[in-house]
Amino acid sequence: NAGVTQTPKFQVLKTGQSMTLQCAQDMNHEYMSWYRQDPGMGLRLIHYSVGAGITDQGEVPNGYNVSRSTTEDFPLRLLSAAPSQTSVYFCASSYLHFTGELFFGEGSRLTVL
Amino acid sequence: GDSVTQMEGPVTLSEEAFLTINCTYTATGYPSLFWYVQYPGEGLQLLLKATKADDKGSNKGFEATYRKETTSFHLEKGSVQVSDSAVYFCALSPTSGSRLTFGEGTQLTVNP
Repeated sequence: NAGVTQTPKFQVLKTGQSMTLQCAQDMNHEYMSWYRQDPGMGLRLIHYSVGAGITDQGEVPNGYNVSRSTTEDFPLRLLSAAPSQTSVYFCASSYLHFTGELFFGEGSRLTVL
Repeated sequence: GDSVTQMEGPVTLSEEAFLTINCTYTATGYPSLFWYVQYPGEGLQLLLKATKADDKGSNKGFEATYRKETTSFHLEKGSVQVSDSAVYFCALSPTSGSRLTFGEGTQLTVNP
């Protein structure tokens, strides 16, 4: 059971560089989302999607782009990385009828110098 | 907006001790409430949930009761084990929502 797979697990960027965090799920979940985890702040929602072609902003969307071309994949793009984006990023998915049970990936630790 | 507040951590206990982690929330209407657990190096996983007032969620010896009158959802376990060492997150989902709002998390360490 692969579940939710995130790549890469670790990444170091310089300020201004761009990159994409990949997320794939094999559970046929319609709902997918990205969170960032920072010490003392819990998890904060960046973007989410309720199906292919549909995305919406969460609590902290600035500096991040997403797209959803397939049910399985939900990449998160940083167009011009900033030190404030140093964080651990989690992708999570769920069935469309959102019951609150999210299935999380193992996380991607990003450091921006 | 919606918010979740957890007791400040970290919490350190000896094996077989009683555990309480406090969680209070602010939300309109009747949100659903959750506890998630994050073991070292892993993503979060759902521990238990309650969807209406006075409901009790339970799993793996952990329990939490949805208290509308005190807007609380405290996590309890009667006898903790070393394997319970993890970060615990309280969360809520609004009545018609498609998102979770998390608390800041509480680090629990259980010593043998």
